[in-house]
Amino acid sequence: KNEVEQSPQNLTAQEGEFITINCSYSVGISALHWLQQHPGGGIVSLFMLSSGKKKHGRLIATINIQEKHSSLHITASHPRDSAVYICAAPFSNSGGSNYKLTFGKGTLLTVNP
Amino acid sequence: KAGVTQTPRYLIKTRGQQVTLSCSPISGHRSVSWYQQTPGQGLQFLFEYFSETQRNKGNFPGRFSGRQFSNSRSEMNVSTLELGDSALYLCASRQGVDSPLHFGNGTRLTVT
Repeated sequence: KNEVEQSPQNLTAQEGEFITINCSYSVGISALHWLQQHPGGGIVSLFMLSSGKKKHGRLIATINIQEKHSSLHITASHPRDSAVYICAAPFSNSGGSNYKLTFGKGTLLTVNP
Repeated sequence: KAGVTQTPRYLIKTRGQQVTLSCSPISGHRSVSWYQQTPGQGLQFLFEYFSETQRNKGNFPGRFSGRQFSNSRSEMNVSTLELGDSALYLCASRQGVDSPLHFGNGTRLTVT
């Protein structure tokens, strides 16, 4: 079964702390998405990565294709980082370009001042 | 560039009715995909259209259908509404399969 597992489900941190959110998936994929959703707000795509590491400001995403594992890191966390972070993997239905995007349950991050 | 626009923002329908939701992608984006978000199931993929053709489909009943027009705008239709169809429906557009997704703000559907 094609699955995406995220951990932790909930995370509370103090401002300035280093945050790590983990995502594991069951089968090989072409690329993994990291998304951010603020309460009552829309979804923003943070990263789409197929190998190695990507960095955008204080956010860093890494992926290990062999281990089928990705991490999202936030350095020097800030209260405005409080949001739900979701990873998503495109599992192929029948090979080729057909796929079904499958989402993790999300990690609710709360950063306190 | 204008972002992804979804209309309407809110809808209240009665069980058994049908509903049509609209999504206008970012200019130049040929792919539009649709998602359902509920507190219990989280985000779930409905389908994706590219150049007016449905390319991928999630595990939803045939009551959920969609289409894409030549200008890349897309509509999603749900027939014979059930209480369990109450959800936030999101669409996203992207330039191609290797491009990141750009989401709209969603349509919140309530079925009573």
